[in-house]
Amino acid sequence: GAVVSQHPSWVICKSGTSVKIECRSLDFQATTMFWYRQFPKQSLMLMATSNEGSKATYEQGVEKDKFLINHASLTLSTLTVTSAHPEDSSFYICSASRVFQYQETQYFGPGTRLLVL
Amino acid sequence: AQSVTQLDSHVSVSEGTPVLLRCNYSSSYSPSLFWYVQHPNKGLQLLLKYTSAATLVKGINGFEAEFKKSETSFHLTKPSAHMSDAAEYFCVVSENFGNEKLTFGTGTRLTIIP
Repeated sequence: GAVVSQHPSWVICKSGTSVKIECRSLDFQATTMFWYRQFPKQSLMLMATSNEGSKATYEQGVEKDKFLINHASLTLSTLTVTSAHPEDSSFYICSASRVFQYQETQYFGPGTRLLVL
Repeated sequence: AQSVTQLDSHVSVSEGTPVLLRCNYSSSYSPSLFWYVQHPNKGLQLLLKYTSAATLVKGINGFEAEFKKSETSFHLTKPSAHMSDAAEYFCVVSENFGNEKLTFGTGTRLTIIP
């Protein structure tokens, strides 16, 4: 159990276009999902916290108008990179928070590799 | 504020020998601590977690970690390394104060020598 999927797994796009990444919790409901960004050979950096039915909370330095997050249901959150530029190329990873036996654990998706040309 | 320091960016061990990946943490509250593993081009997999219960935590694939409050450490160990253990390992802290935010260490790349 506790499987999180991401789609697409990789995407190449032209500079100036927008890209949408989906994150789904397949076998549990997640009121909270998180979006991370990982540069090559670096750690994960939290971009934003996504709560179902409310606006996302962005970390300092993350442009909310550039990285649009929508948490439409208890099993789906989307991240849209608007007007993508080469510096947005990165590995984007989502996680979904699951409460089990009064303990909360984040389960991570496999990631989406974005390359902006 | 919470933070994590992974003391080694790269660790190499021979197959069959013990593994030690070091992690020190800083937290204002009673923390939860995690170790995640990331294989190349894959997502993160939870190895184990500490949430204020037993200080010695056993995880998957033979890994375990010991929470030492006096040393603010949460080192990851395995008695005998396997080739499949080669991966990137992240130590992660979360403060137990209604705050689900995870703070990641910089990672330790584990290489297994045949």
